[in-house]
Amino acid sequence: NAGVTQTPKFQVLKTGQSMTLQCAQDMNHEYMSWYRQDPGMGLRLIHYSVGAGITDQGEVPNGYNVSRSTTEDFPLRLLSAAPSQTSVYFCASSSPGQGHYEQYFGPGTRLTVT
Amino acid sequence: GIQVEQSPPDLILQEGANSTLRCNFSDSVNNLQWFHQNPWGQLINLFYIPSGTKQNGRLSATTVATERYSLLYISSSQTTDSGVYFCAVVPGSARQLTFGSGTQLTVLP
Repeated sequence: NAGVTQTPKFQVLKTGQSMTLQCAQDMNHEYMSWYRQDPGMGLRLIHYSVGAGITDQGEVPNGYNVSRSTTEDFPLRLLSAAPSQTSVYFCASSSPGQGHYEQYFGPGTRLTVT
Repeated sequence: GIQVEQSPPDLILQEGANSTLRCNFSDSVNNLQWFHQNPWGQLINLFYIPSGTKQNGRLSATTVATERYSLLYISSSQTTDSGVYFCAVVPGSARQLTFGSGTQLTVLP
């Protein structure tokens, strides 16, 4: 089991460029989420998905798109990067079986927008 | 939305000392987790503990759901315990975690 994997580990973008952060999990978890972590702060929820084909917005969704075509993958798209999106991005997954929502996190992607 | 408050925000210890970190939350929760973020940024699951007490080696955690708080105990601290400790909860009506702002722990040799 690889758990939750994220690529790339590091990325530098120029303002206005687009890119996709990849997230995959091999635990057959229904729930997947994207969070961002800014310096000195906790993680904030961007978007989440409760299953293939179903996504919803979290606390800070502006500037990001997501889709969930398979159980395993949950990519995060930045359509036009802005310096305010410089952050560390974490993907997480969980399975709600019997109301148990323990979440498992990937290693993160450190994004810098110049 | 739910509020999650952690205290203290910063803690400096000498190696071998014990410590208690606290997490208060403002509403009922389905899930409470403690994480350690190491100096390389990796988030490590410590405990899944919506209620009760659990122990794992030198670490233990207690959640009193009816009083809306959780405590993380670190005994005989080591320099490798340094990092940020986060408490995160899933409120009763939600599915995703809300994080506290963390406790920055520094253990000195």
